[in-house]
Amino acid sequence: AQSVTQLGSHVSVSEGALVLLRCNYSSSVPPYLFWYVQYPNQGLQLLLKYTSAATLVKGINGFEAEFKKSETSFHLTKPSAHMSDAAEYFCAVTLNTNAGKSTFGDGTTLTVKP
Amino acid sequence: ETGVTQSPTHLIKTRGQQVTLRCSSQSGHNTVSWYQQALGQGPQFIFQYYREEENGRGNFPPRFSGLQFPNYSSELNVNALELDDSALYLCASNPTVGGGYTFGSGTRLTVV
Repeated sequence: AQSVTQLGSHVSVSEGALVLLRCNYSSSVPPYLFWYVQYPNQGLQLLLKYTSAATLVKGINGFEAEFKKSETSFHLTKPSAHMSDAAEYFCAVTLNTNAGKSTFGDGTTLTVKP
Repeated sequence: ETGVTQSPTHLIKTRGQQVTLRCSSQSGHNTVSWYQQALGQGPQFIFQYYREEENGRGNFPPRFSGLQFPNYSSELNVNALELDDSALYLCASNPTVGGGYTFGSGTRLTVV
């Protein structure tokens, strides 16, 4: 079985500041990991995914995440926050290539202050 | 046609009733997954269909059922609605079981 814990249900940063959203996973086998963004009243959009290749994964909109097996973490970062980054972010894990059977965390709401 | 379209966008039903939610996937997307997202929580996997056959199921009772059709559309049916079924229901599709999935905007179901 697998699980995901997102530390911090709400994160607030100033525009231009570093964004750091935390995700820790639990998995009995090497996982595939994903970050999604959800804007109000919309579905989920894939930001990036880790599928056992490079541990530092670059995604869309300037986001990146680093897979750290020793820490069982997959934290999402962005060097400089934009107002348009305000949304809810979800980390997800799956045990194989079938991303359609993912286990999601409870999400982190990112607020960006002007 | 591009994108994943879900209908209706909002729905109010009474406890004990039955509901059918619909999803129209992109042409060639043979795999569709359905998720339930309760308020303030992440999506929970309900089930997946691949080429019109169920291909895995999450921890949901049998009153949650689905269908997938040859025209890349699918349905989620829920019988004997309970108040806790109130949630955003998302479908996501992909040409194969692997790779990245495209999510629809969801159907907001309220059970009263």
